[in-house]
Amino acid sequence: KQEVTQIPAALSVPEGENLVLNCSFTDSAIYNLQWFRQDPGKGLTSLLLIQSSQREQTSGRLNASLDKSSGRSTLYIAASQPGDSATYLCAVGGSSNTGKLIFGQGTTLQVKP
Amino acid sequence: GAGVSQSPSNKVTEKGKDVELRCDPISGHTALYWYRQSLGQGLEFLIYFQGNSAPDKSGLPSDRFSAERTGGSVSTLTIQRTQQEDSAVYLCASSRQGAREQYFGPGTRLTVT
Repeated sequence: KQEVTQIPAALSVPEGENLVLNCSFTDSAIYNLQWFRQDPGKGLTSLLLIQSSQREQTSGRLNASLDKSSGRSTLYIAASQPGDSATYLCAVGGSSNTGKLIFGQGTTLQVKP
Repeated sequence: GAGVSQSPSNKVTEKGKDVELRCDPISGHTALYWYRQSLGQGLEFLIYFQGNSAPDKSGLPSDRFSAERTGGSVSTLTIQRTQQEDSAVYLCASSRQGAREQYFGPGTRLTVT
């Protein structure tokens, strides 16, 4: 059974810092991995999708990497801003047939001005 | 519409009553997913639709839960004889086809009293 873990559970940094959020998964036979952002009381916003054949994806100040063999992904946020404060969720897609996602518990990020 | 929409945004119901939650996916998206987010369990997959068929119902917690999709578009999640443990945020997502990037709606917050 696939299990997804995110560390740390919470993180507080001053504005301007570069930071890394970690995601690990127990079964390396994944189809894709998706990073989401969730603001309080809101739905999920897709940030980046990495296919299993890819090593990384970039969007603006965000960079996500994937190492299937070690069961790890990282989300790198450059030059953090207070508007980046949110919960970041990692989700693993294990099947090419359904796309069902298995989620980690999330990392709650606070960026202080 | 531009994104996935869900209704109602909030629903308060008495224990034992039936509820229906609605999801309108992004136009043209053939895959539709229901997830549940609760404090104790995090985000859990419930069911996946491809068109009007549901090839993966593995996440439905009991036979009180059912879902249907009509016209390859709107989906309804029905919970019969609601229990307090059903209280959660129910999220719907859609994608162009299975195993592709998923886009989430704002969710329906269900409270069973």
